[in-house]
Amino acid sequence: SAVISQKPSRDICQRGTSLTIQCQVDSQVTMMFWYRQQPGQSLTLIATANQGSEATYESGFVIDKFPISRPNLTFSTLTVSNMSPEDSSIYLCSVVMGYGYTFGSGTRLTVV
Amino acid sequence: AQTVTQSQPEMSVQEAETVTLSCTYDTSESDYYLFWYKQPPSRQMILVIRQEAYKQQNATENRFSVNFQKAAKSFSLKISDSQLGDAAMYFCAYRSRNAGNNRKLIWGLGTSLAVNP
Repeated sequence: SAVISQKPSRDICQRGTSLTIQCQVDSQVTMMFWYRQQPGQSLTLIATANQGSEATYESGFVIDKFPISRPNLTFSTLTVSNMSPEDSSIYLCSVVMGYGYTFGSGTRLTVV
Repeated sequence: AQTVTQSQPEMSVQEAETVTLSCTYDTSESDYYLFWYKQPPSRQMILVIRQEAYKQQNATENRFSVNFQKAAKSFSLKISDSQLGDAAMYFCAYRSRNAGNNRKLIWGLGTSLAVNP
């Protein structure tokens, strides 16, 4: 299975600023998923990112707020823009690989 | 649209005993995958077990096994000889097999499992 390096692992940010989260995969993958997870709750899909095309966003998530970059088959970034305290959450990336889905270790974001 | 329901928000088990976590799902499809994922406090999502709907045989991975009842749309996870390291949030998830380029997972709300020494 793939190994994903996700950075940063945690950050505390001021409201109104932006944070970019990076995921680096150790093998080429077509599709990458970005999730948001409130502590103790389930995962909510933000968007699906394919290399070479625009990301597909789920209902309630928009590109202006969560722009995604997918420059090649091993790397993607998610930016959380113009942050507010409501954006405080855990953000995870994931890829489909072989038997199942592999996940990054998550980014815990706190907006103050 | 497909849905996944985990009716047990919290469960507990004594170390070395057996526990079963419930999962039901709703779909009109006949071909799909079902997953159980474990998320310990470290936040890392770990695949526990996967079941293909076309396979009648229940999947097994060491101490983890499933009871897959396709007609009842039920997919429970049994953990035998529970260990302290099994304490985690467990998520049930569904994915259509014939979804073309759409491979997104449908997630349950999770079951928090505590293991008592």
